[in-house]
Amino acid sequence: DTGVSQNPRHKITKRGQNVTFRCDPISEHNRLYWYRQTLGQGPEFLTYFQNEAQLEKSRLLSDRFSAERPKGSFSTLEIQRTEQGDSAMYLCASSGQGANQPQHFGDGTRLSIL
Amino acid sequence: GIQVEQSPPDLILQEGANSTLRCNFSDSVNNLQWFHQNPWGQLINLFYIPSGTKQNGRLSATTVATERYSLLYISSSQTTDSGVYFCAVGHTDKLIFGTGTRLQVFP
Repeated sequence: DTGVSQNPRHKITKRGQNVTFRCDPISEHNRLYWYRQTLGQGPEFLTYFQNEAQLEKSRLLSDRFSAERPKGSFSTLEIQRTEQGDSAMYLCASSGQGANQPQHFGDGTRLSIL
Repeated sequence: GIQVEQSPPDLILQEGANSTLRCNFSDSVNNLQWFHQNPWGQLINLFYIPSGTKQNGRLSATTVATERYSLLYISSSQTTDSGVYFCAVGHTDKLIFGTGTRLQVFP
């Protein structure tokens, strides 16, 4: 039974660089979510996909952030021109078809901006 | 938007003690999940419980949707129970998380 997989687990980069994270959901799940968690806080919603369609984006997702799910399977989250405030844990979750399904989370990618 | 409040914010227990964590939410929801975030940052699903009562080993949870609260019970706590417990409620298709209860269990 493979859960949600995220890569890389850790990313350290200099301010101003671009970074990309990947999420592979549970195979039969058609919904995929991205969340961001900063130190001492609960995760906050960023965006979600149903199959390849991006259905909702939070106002937290500035124009430096872009997410894709090109074939309705894995997803990527790219941050351009990273800033100190982007340092956080980026979490991906997936859920199955139908309303009100539980979300299952990956282990996250921890981003540190130097 | 929906507000999710968890109490207490911090809890310190000796191994073997029981505890109750509470989650209040400000509007009707269509999903409620409890998670344990371990010291390595992994979010572990504990319960999917939009209403009713469920039990899993030493853990149980009850949600009273009409009164907008949920309770998580931990019995006979162990040091491995340490971490942060989050309640998250589903509104439309996204989860809204509370600020968590930080639990420390000492031997």
